[in-house]
Amino acid sequence: KNQVEQSPQSLIILEGKNCTLQCNYTVSPFSNLRWYKQDTGRGPVSLTIMTFSENTKSNGRYTATLDADTKQSSLHITASQLSDSASYICVVSLPAAGNKLTFGGGTRVLVKP
Amino acid sequence: GAVVSQHPSRVICKSGTSVKIECRSLDFQATTMFWYRQFPKKSLMLMATSNEGSKATYEQGVEKDKFLINHASLTLSTLTVTSAHPEDSSFYICSAEPGVSSYNEQFFGPGTRLTVL
Repeated sequence: KNQVEQSPQSLIILEGKNCTLQCNYTVSPFSNLRWYKQDTGRGPVSLTIMTFSENTKSNGRYTATLDADTKQSSLHITASQLSDSASYICVVSLPAAGNKLTFGGGTRVLVKP
Repeated sequence: GAVVSQHPSRVICKSGTSVKIECRSLDFQATTMFWYRQFPKKSLMLMATSNEGSKATYEQGVEKDKFLINHASLTLSTLTVTSAHPEDSSFYICSAEPGVSSYNEQFFGPGTRLTVL
């Protein structure tokens, strides 16, 4: 079983609408939890990084939350744009493994006009 | 800042040949670089971790003689796929970790699409 599970696997939203992506993780302890955006055929780009003591972090229209008690994180996209169409990957950094990254399977978002 | 480049962006080669992929940190020195492989609609899989001037550490199941990694300087790491076969066709992504990041942040390259005919 993957240590970082994301849901949904994919979703379609209309331009201008909001959406929330979920990430559940079982690994503990961790150094930080990250959300990346990956366009098709490109490398991941960092959106947010949070340590276990942080609850929320924003980057423009992207807001990530973290609940260390329930081991859940979410990424909220506000007022979606066509350029938001991409895969969004939740990643946990494990200090016990030399800060190697454990990747979730990603959520593929398609924003339609 | 924190830009990582990869070259080439895509390469097509014949089965049995070797292919070298370069990963460069353009505006910072990377104490550690990572090589990942990604299959279509799948997440990134770590292949190996390399530190400048030392041998790379390979993940379980990754053949070190097949995927040669060299990290000769603080801004350059190379991945050579030796005797490539069609099953080696994949998207290869590198990342670089500056030594001074408080989050141990990794900055990813744009990836290299390898197609072996």
